[in-house]
Amino acid sequence: AQSVTQLGSHVSVSEGALVLLRCNYSSSVPPYLFWYVQYPNQGLQLLLKYTSAATLVKGINGFEAEFKKSETSFHLTKPSAHMRDAAEYFCAVRAGFSGGYNKLIFGAGTRLAVHP
Amino acid sequence: DGGITQSPKYLFRKEGQNVTLSCEQNLNHDAMYWYRQDPGQGLRLIYYSQIVNDFQKGDIAEGYSVSREKKESFPLTVTSAQKNPTAFYLCASSIGIDLTSRAYNEQFFGPGTRLTVL
Repeated sequence: AQSVTQLGSHVSVSEGALVLLRCNYSSSVPPYLFWYVQYPNQGLQLLLKYTSAATLVKGINGFEAEFKKSETSFHLTKPSAHMRDAAEYFCAVRAGFSGGYNKLIFGAGTRLAVHP
Repeated sequence: DGGITQSPKYLFRKEGQNVTLSCEQNLNHDAMYWYRQDPGQGLRLIYYSQIVNDFQKGDIAEGYSVSREKKESFPLTVTSAQKNPTAFYLCASSIGIDLTSRAYNEQFFGPGTRLTVL
């Protein structure tokens, strides 16, 4: 069965500091992995996705994530945080074919706070 | 201007009432989904549909019903059987799976409907 664990429900950084949001996955099939961002009272917006091409994936707003198969991780990073990055971030993995191949399994989310 | 619309943005329900949440997309996507979001629990799948006139239960389908009569529309009804319906509801769509390459396409989300039981 597929699952996603996001370590840390809340992360707080200073403006200009490195952002690191952690995601570990479990998948019985080659994983397709996603990071989404949600601003208050809005829907989710895709930041980036890993689909078995390059292991370092660049996304929008300066974010990137690195797929590490040996660590079953897909951590999200940004070198320098901006106030506008304050939001909730969700990691997701595609459910395997036995579970319905159009389904995503979401982590519980990490709320990022950015302080001046 | 393509996208997914959900209405209403806010909805209030009295105990024992059924309410229907609207979801429309003009992206020409085959697959559509309904999720429920509660604080600290991420998103949980209620129902999904891969083609018109077909839909499947997700992980928390009890107390909900859907229909898929048109490709563009996937309304969700929250019935009186749903004991704790207060939540944020998100609709999503995707191209679906490419059966030749098995390439998976990401889901696009609407702005959500916040349902509150009075």
